[in-house]
Amino acid sequence: GQQVQQSPTSLVLQEGENAELQCNFSTSLNSMQWFYQRPGGSLVSVFYNPSGTKQSGRLTSTTVIKERRSSLHISSSQITDSGTYLCAGKNNYAQGLTFGLGTRVSVFP
Amino acid sequence: NAGVIQTPRHKVTGKGQEATLWCEPISGHSAVFWYRQTIVQGLEFLTYFRNQAPIDDSGMPKERFSAQMPNQSHSTLKIQSTQPQDSAVYLCASSRDTANTEVFFGKGTRLTVV
Repeated sequence: GQQVQQSPTSLVLQEGENAELQCNFSTSLNSMQWFYQRPGGSLVSVFYNPSGTKQSGRLTSTTVIKERRSSLHISSSQITDSGTYLCAGKNNYAQGLTFGLGTRVSVFP
Repeated sequence: NAGVIQTPRHKVTGKGQEATLWCEPISGHSAVFWYRQTIVQGLEFLTYFRNQAPIDDSGMPKERFSAQMPNQSHSTLKIQSTQPQDSAVYLCASSRDTANTEVFFGKGTRLTVV
């Protein structure tokens, strides 16, 4: 099965709403990382979060290794938050990142 | 810090031609990765180098694709006899080392094979 599963696949928000993006990963993965990508744009690292909780502005990431999950919380969403958020992890015996299929977030006024 | 630099940003080749993509990793990073992104397949790992040595090329198509890292400041991905199905965004990334460290991506090269 897929090693990184993200949900939801897409999310539509009204500006100001909060959102929670989920990432479930297999036991073979660690060193979870969240990326942001605009259509046609590059991958920007949002959080490197192997475990615990990290916050940056309106974004918060929580990774619970025992439960094989990581989440990305967006508070008070803004139109500029629109894009795709990708979760990725490293395999224990290989070093390339394995990516989920992403959550496409659309924020409207 | 200019980040990971990839050139060219866009490349159009005719079917059967060769394409060479360039990557300059972040200075001081010992691990360099190549990925491919398409709408259908998403992001796929291709290959990676550590301290310029090829370590894992398990994601590389066995024919026509090759990657090299002749020095610590650049890596190349070469595709021979390009086919339309090679059209994708090719992404290079680097990290300080391979053990549990953050990975940074370049802006990618969009390859279109016509």
